[in-house]
Amino acid sequence: EVQLVESGGGLVKPGGSLRLSCAASGFTFSNYSMTWVRQAPGKGLEWVSSITTGSDYIYYADSVKGRFTISRDNAKNSLYLQMNSLRAEDTAMYYCATLIMGPTIDYWGQGTLVTVSS
Amino acid sequence: DVVMTQSPLSLPVTLGQPASISCRSSQSLVYSDGNTYLNWFQQRPGQSPRRIIYKVSNRDSGVPDRFSGSGSGTDFTLKISRVEAEDVGVYFCMQGTHWPPTFGQGTKVEIK
Repeated sequence: EVQLVESGGGLVKPGGSLRLSCAASGFTFSNYSMTWVRQAPGKGLEWVSSITTGSDYIYYADSVKGRFTISRDNAKNSLYLQMNSLRAEDTAMYYCATLIMGPTIDYWGQGTLVTVSS
Repeated sequence: DVVMTQSPLSLPVTLGQPASISCRSSQSLVYSDGNTYLNWFQQRPGQSPRRIIYKVSNRDSGVPDRFSGSGSGTDFTLKISRVEAEDVGVYFCMQGTHWPPTFGQGTKVEIK
């Protein structure tokens, strides 16, 4: 069974940091580019960051560039998002996903909630 | 960034009746390889998004055939031929032709 399990969310003060993790199982993680997508409470979906299979190419939304760092460890089948200098507007459910555009099955995790508040 | 505009944002539907959601992009979504990278996602209450349509009109495995996608260029449509109770949720379109990927605002489908 394919699983993407996010962890690491929680309540943090503005300016603080969190590190999100996404543990993958049931598919060949190293063959997939991976993406973080977030959803503010009651709002739509926003692409945050993507990383290619070998970490050769990394992309960030302008809203998080310079504050967030995506990384992966293919030996551990894991994806990470280091979030620094957090702001209230970063409050959201964070999903890890494969975000596939073609016929390959697309996988999403259940999400981890990040709340930035004093 | 490419702006994706969905309408309506709220769609009350009677069980067994059809539903249609429009998604328009601010630029053509035809990629240089000839493909159009437009996906549709369903997000049931309390669940993660789930892709149901890829490349405009291709249903994902396990998606009922009452769901269909169509369109070209900048204009796309998701149709549900006969709405069932399990179809309640929010539907998002997403383009992957231009970087960065962008999503529509979402259309909430509910039962009247």
